Amino acid sequence: KNQVEQSPQSLIILEGKNCTLQCNYTVSPFSNLRWYKQDTGRGPVSLTIMTFSENTKSNGRYTATLDADTKQSSLHITASQLSDSASYICVVSGGSGTYKYIFGTGTRLKVLA
Amino acid sequence: DAGITQSPRHKVTETGTPVTLRCHQTENHRYMYWYRQDPGHGLRLIHYSYGVKDTDKGEVSDGYSVSRSKTEDFLLTLESATSSQTSVYFCAIGADQETQYFGPGTRLLVL
Repeated sequence: KNQVEQSPQSLIILEGKNCTLQCNYTVSPFSNLRWYKQDTGRGPVSLTIMTFSENTKSNGRYTATLDADTKQSSLHITASQLSDSASYICVVSGGSGTYKYIFGTGTRLKVLA
Repeated sequence: DAGITQSPRHKVTETGTPVTLRCHQTENHRYMYWYRQDPGHGLRLIHYSYGVKDTDKGEVSDGYSVSRSKTEDFLLTLESATSSQTSVYFCAIGADQETQYFGPGTRLLVL
């Protein structure tokens, strides 16, 4: 069964600290993996997208990694800011059906001053 | 929000009444999707469209219907609203099956 699992479910860190969010997937065939940021009350916004051949993709203070062999991805946030408080959703595109997206349930991050 | 709007943004309705949510795009994208988001479940697909008049069911389609008579509009109808359909509804669009852009969401409360 195609699945995407994220950990931790929630995380609290102090402003300025780094953190890493995890995403494990069992999706076949694999097309790409995307990390979204969702602020409270808003729609998800794409941070990064990686295909099978990409190991790392950065977007400012956000760096995503992908290990296609172990089917794991991580999102590293450097020097966190209060505005990083949000839910982060891992979405894998793939599978054999017409509809291609498998969503994780997200990690809720809270950054404290 | 990549040229995508949803209306209404908030709605309160009573059990048993029909409700229609509208998703409108100005990007001329082929694919359009309706999701609901509930605590502990993440985003779940209700219906999607891969062209005008071409739609298909998602994992939580019971109690919902959709229509797409024009490229720019994708309507989601709750035929007879129930309290279990209280949720936040998101529309998404994509030019192909590799990308999705989400709308701002509609918060629906069924009393």
